[in-house]
Parts: sequence; C-alpha cells; structure tokens
Amino acid sequence: RKEVEQDPGPFNVPEGATVAFNCTYSNSASQSFFWYRQDCRKEPKLLMSVYSSGNEDGRFTAQLNRASQYISLLIRDSKLSDSATYLCVVNRNNDMRFGAGTRLTVKP
Amino acid sequence: GAVVSQHPSWVICKSGTSVKIECRSLDFQATTMFWYRQFPKQSLMLMATSNEGSKATYEQGVEKDKFLINHASLTLSTLTVTSAHPEDSSFYICSARYPGQGSVNEQFFGPGTRLTVL
Repeated sequence: RKEVEQDPGPFNVPEGATVAFNCTYSNSASQSFFWYRQDCRKEPKLLMSVYSSGNEDGRFTAQLNRASQYISLLIRDSKLSDSATYLCVVNRNNDMRFGAGTRLTVKP
Repeated sequence: GAVVSQHPSWVICKSGTSVKIECRSLDFQATTMFWYRQFPKQSLMLMATSNEGSKATYEQGVEKDKFLINHASLTLSTLTVTSAHPEDSSFYICSARYPGQGSVNEQFFGPGTRLTVL
C-alpha cells in the first residue's frame, strides 16, 4: 500500500464549479500535512498547510481527519488558472512523502 | 518565499555519460537538501537526503554509486548521474529545508532538471 494515496483524476470541471480532492495516508504517526500545487513541467509549490481544525485560504479549504487518516481540499468558484496537479503531502520527522497527485482541468 | 535554483534546467546526453545537476539555495543556508525524481504522471519519489558536510542518506532502491550526491556547502548540493542510461531519463527536482521555527521546516523546491538520455 502506498504511504499517501490520492484519486489521480483527471477532474474536468467548468469554470465556477466547486471541486473536492481526497487523500488518505497510512502512517498514523504522521505529524503535519500539506497541499502542494504542481503545474506541468514545473516544481511543486506550497498551496496550504492542513490543520486538524480545518483551514481556509480564499477559495481553498483544507480539512484533516486524523482518526480516519484522511485529508481533503475543496476549491470553490474554480478558475481557469486553477488547472494543475494537486499533491497531498504528509510529513513525519521532516520526512515528506508525496501522493501521486490529482489532476484538475478547469474549462471555460 | 525562499529561492532555490537548479542548473541546468534541461539536459540531453548520450548513454554512458555522466551528468551533474546543481541545486543552490540563493537566500538562505540549508543544512539539508533533498533530491527527488519524477517520472511522467507519477509522484515525486525521494531519492536521497543530502546533509551538509556528511554523507547523503539514500532511499531504498536508489544506487548510491550511480547517483552521487555532494553537499559541500550550506548553499550547494550536487547530484551526479553516472553512466546515464535511457531509463534514467526523468525530471529531477531538489528541495532545500528552510531553517525555521517549530517541528517542521518548510521545504522550497528548485525548478527541476529534465534529463533525457539518448
């Protein structure tokens, strides 16, 4: 079993749609969690950290459920510029493990 | 955020040659850098952790004699792919750990190096 699993997609949604990505992780000792965004042929960039209480940054909302070892990312009012691959990242003792990514395409 | 550079950004080489990739933290000192490899439509896979002034720690399945890592200063780590073969063609990305507060120090990624071995 992979340490971090994501639905690979692709998710093809119209502009303005709300889309949600899920991620599960296998190691219950994982300490911190992140969503990164990776554009085609580019390096990953931090989108947001994920906290147990849930956190929001503009149109993006991240949730963490430690009991279920589940992380989610919700994107509201999606824009064309949101098209990218979203990587779920789990950290334990500064050892970061990446999911394979979920590909999102937002269409006009 | 902090800036990490990689050089070269892309390289094409013949099978059997060696290729060196540089990773630099431009505006901070990084005691730890990481080297990842990403094949098309796959996740980033950690190859090794590079510690300044000591030997790199390689992940299981990564040949240390083939992927030579040197972290000679607090701002530079190099990855040398020795005797490259077509199956080594991939996107190589480095990251540097920013020395912040707390239990987790954010990693900043370089722009990546696309290696094609003919």
